[in-house]
Amino acid sequence: DAGVIQSPRHEVTEMGQEVTLRCKPISGHDYLFWYRQTMMRGLELLIYFNNNVPIDDSGMPEDRFSAKMPNASFSTLKIQPSEPRDSAVYFCASSSARGLAGAPADTQYFGPGTRLTVL
Amino acid sequence: AQKVTQAQTEISVVEKEDVTLDCVYETRDTTYYLFWYKQPPSGELVFLIRRNSFDEQNEISGRYSWNFQKSTSSFNFTITASQVVDSAVYFCALSESYTGGFKTIFGAGTRLFVKA
Repeated sequence: DAGVIQSPRHEVTEMGQEVTLRCKPISGHDYLFWYRQTMMRGLELLIYFNNNVPIDDSGMPEDRFSAKMPNASFSTLKIQPSEPRDSAVYFCASSSARGLAGAPADTQYFGPGTRLTVL
Repeated sequence: AQKVTQAQTEISVVEKEDVTLDCVYETRDTTYYLFWYKQPPSGELVFLIRRNSFDEQNEISGRYSWNFQKSTSSFNFTITASQVVDSAVYFCALSESYTGGFKTIFGAGTRLFVKA
């Protein structure tokens, strides 16, 4: 079975350009997460969806960031306009099942990440 | 508020040594989940284990073992007879629920070097 698929794997762009990162979760998973990893801030949860609906976007750093999940098999994270400080590795993850107190209990499967460099 | 502390930034051991990675967490909830992930040099994050707050049983999986102690809010990870392939960054994470959703935060990670 295919795991979480992310594209592109690497993206180099210039400041001010729009960047779109894509994610295909594991089929059947009902949770999708977007994370950002930087040396300074570590691994941060940006936003997550449940059944295609955004549940918590409090980790999204600014209005320049937006995420959508138009259907169960596809999500995008868009940065417009991009800035050098957005350079990071962006991970998408998916999971399923509901455990104690409503938290997703099952394994979060991570994609390979997209390394974004904004010049 | 949630917090996950991995006080060890880097650890270096020689192959076949045992090594313990520490994780201390803070939460006000009684219901929560704890995780360990491995990030090898290739960059992907690999799930290792999850524990819910009501399950304090220690777990062993091959050379890996985990010690969960609610009394000290710790969820430590031990690798027995370490191997070069264990070299990676290891992250501890905490998930807890709130009305309408949940939050997951990761520790800063511990970079493990295993030398041949």
